[in-house]
Amino acid sequence: DIQMTQSPSSLSASVGDRVTITCRASQGIAYHLAWYQKKPGKAPKSLIYAASSLRSGVPSRFSGSGSGTDFTLTISSLQPEDFATYYCQHYSVLPFTFGPGTKVDIK
Amino acid sequence: EVQLVESGGGLVQPGGSLRLSCAASEFTFSGYWMHWVRQAPGKGLECVSRINPDGSSATYADSVQGRFTISRDNAKNTLFLQMNSLRADDTAVYYCARESRGPSAVDYWGQGALVTVSS
Repeated sequence: DIQMTQSPSSLSASVGDRVTITCRASQGIAYHLAWYQKKPGKAPKSLIYAASSLRSGVPSRFSGSGSGTDFTLTISSLQPEDFATYYCQHYSVLPFTFGPGTKVDIK
Repeated sequence: EVQLVESGGGLVQPGGSLRLSCAASEFTFSGYWMHWVRQAPGKGLECVSRINPDGSSATYADSVQGRFTISRDNAKNTLFLQMNSLRADDTAVYYCARESRGPSAVDYWGQGALVTVSS
């Protein structure tokens, strides 16, 4: 199985900060990577697919990049509603595995 | 707007069974791969199972293989998860999710159904 890691596991940031989260796959997955936002008590929200394509309705302050094994999710200017846990997931080969998550909280 | 509404969650004793349903609407259900994804308390997201559009092929996480069965009724636009031999570590919120045309990533999620396995 392909293992996904994320760094950092958590971070504290202020509104307006630029935030970058890294996701690494244990083997190459081309661009078959998605990012999701998860808030307590809420359903996950799909943010990005194909490593860098933004889902419809997702604010443009979110962006993704990378291919192969190394990927990043960037929030250009953190907003109050962005405090959440972010997960990457590959969908290259079965099983589609998630990273362990990165919790973004308020500094 | 795509809607996915889970039902059937609840409290069950270890060794018991439960069947989750997910009612889909506002899209052509029979054309999409569907997933069950869970999140245990304080834990991350875990892919539980995935089924192809016509229901003829399914895959499972090792942790549920042989105990859970995913199925679908395309005539009723409904996805199911039959969970048998439940264990305490199956306690989680279970989400129904649609996979974007691909194979690809999930694009829509249901609101989740809580399953608690406890005596």
